[in-house]
Amino acid sequence: QSALTQPASVSGSPGQSITISCTGTSSAFGDYNYVSWYQQHPGKAPKLIIYDVNNRPSGVSNRFSGSKSGNTASLSISGLQAEDEADYYCSSCNSISAVFGGGTKLTVL
Amino acid sequence: EVQLVQSGAEVKKPGESLKISCKGYGYSFTSYWIGWVRQMPGKGLEWMGFIYPGDSDTRNSPSFQGQVTISVDKSISTAYLQWSSLKASDSGIYYCGRRAIFGGGPFEMWGQGTMVTVSS
Repeated sequence: QSALTQPASVSGSPGQSITISCTGTSSAFGDYNYVSWYQQHPGKAPKLIIYDVNNRPSGVSNRFSGSKSGNTASLSISGLQAEDEADYYCSSCNSISAVFGGGTKLTVL
Repeated sequence: EVQLVQSGAEVKKPGESLKISCKGYGYSFTSYWIGWVRQMPGKGLEWMGFIYPGDSDTRNSPSFQGQVTISVDKSISTAYLQWSSLKASDSGIYYCGRRAIFGGGPFEMWGQGTMVTVSS
């Protein structure tokens, strides 16, 4: 699978909404709807927050949502909170491989 | 509690061998793929490979093929990541993760990470 490209950083103020993009080739996304997103706080393991483009695991806030159009997947966070400040990674998996985007650092101003 | 628990931090010299572990608790270990992911200092996540504990079927990233060995001992619900000759560039945090059975099999649960430092 090819690389997935994310912006290095995004920022927003508390209460605002932000979107993080993840762009790849059709071969990178492979099985088209298997895009997931992970949140990683400093010194912590990643946490799955979105899977299969727009599904949230149990316990993940509904402020997090995902979408996909063409070769670009997106993670949106509404009502930004200080605790959302973290690194975010997109990923695509299939039966034989996985690939991660380079990561986006979200700063809550 | 359903969890993955990894072995502790390691400090090694270049050329030494190393085997780190990832033990599953609270679920049927043989029914879920386990993956390994590297995070070099200050960098992003890199997929290294998967193993299916039920039959030891393994998938390796081309980037890590031949550099590491992924194995499993299902009798003790433990997956391993092994190096035969470490390099300084192997320094980083290594995470194991359990792949979900649903959808594309994202990493739905992660170990706490094992920090590996390789320095002379």
